[in-house]
Amino acid sequence: DAKTTQPPSMDCAEGRAANLPCNHSTISGNEYVYWYRQIHSQGPQYIIHGLKNNETNEMASLIITEDRKSSTLILPHATLRDTAVYYCIVRFYSNSGYALNFGKGTSLLVTP
Amino acid sequence: DTAVSQTPKYLVTQMGNDKSIKCEQNLGHDTMYWYKQDSKKFLKIMFSYNNKELIINETVPNRFSPKSPDKAHLNLHINSLELGDSAVYFCASTLSTGTLEAFFGQGTRLTVV
Repeated sequence: DAKTTQPPSMDCAEGRAANLPCNHSTISGNEYVYWYRQIHSQGPQYIIHGLKNNETNEMASLIITEDRKSSTLILPHATLRDTAVYYCIVRFYSNSGYALNFGKGTSLLVTP
Repeated sequence: DTAVSQTPKYLVTQMGNDKSIKCEQNLGHDTMYWYKQDSKKFLKIMFSYNNKELIINETVPNRFSPKSPDKAHLNLHINSLELGDSAVYFCASTLSTGTLEAFFGQGTRLTVV
């Protein structure tokens, strides 16, 4: 399974767009990229996922490069409640099933 | 209604004891998981069940035994607790094994003293 690389931390001003990068240069053709976040002391929360095309939902946008070796999660108007650890994940295969393989993630701090 | 609920939220126990953590989901999902988040905040898959059948069993000590009485419940029983078992344990569920859009519970913080 592909591994991911994310910056350990980022800052963003409230109201501005937060752009969180992720490298997944060894991703294979049929592997999706998933993004989750974990707000302090809570369970991880699903944000968005994609394969090739850019995706958008009510929480965020996901931009995947044409070669699929990297992606960027965009929070268009960050709020203080978006302060969390953001995980870029390419699925993990074990035994006969798939699971999420969480790395270290990016700790995003949104400041007033 | 909470989608994925775990009990208890906090658990403090002595070394050598046996304890259980319960998880229930009301989403109608077929697949449930246990993840462990250690002191360094790494989240690792432990087990996965699909429709009551064990499908993922990562390298976890035999003292950990999951049990799924029905597809809405996945419990985790831990025997002979050790200091190193202290962690936050998260239950999660997905619609099926083919998707990783998971719903997570709020976690159970286990402290072994």
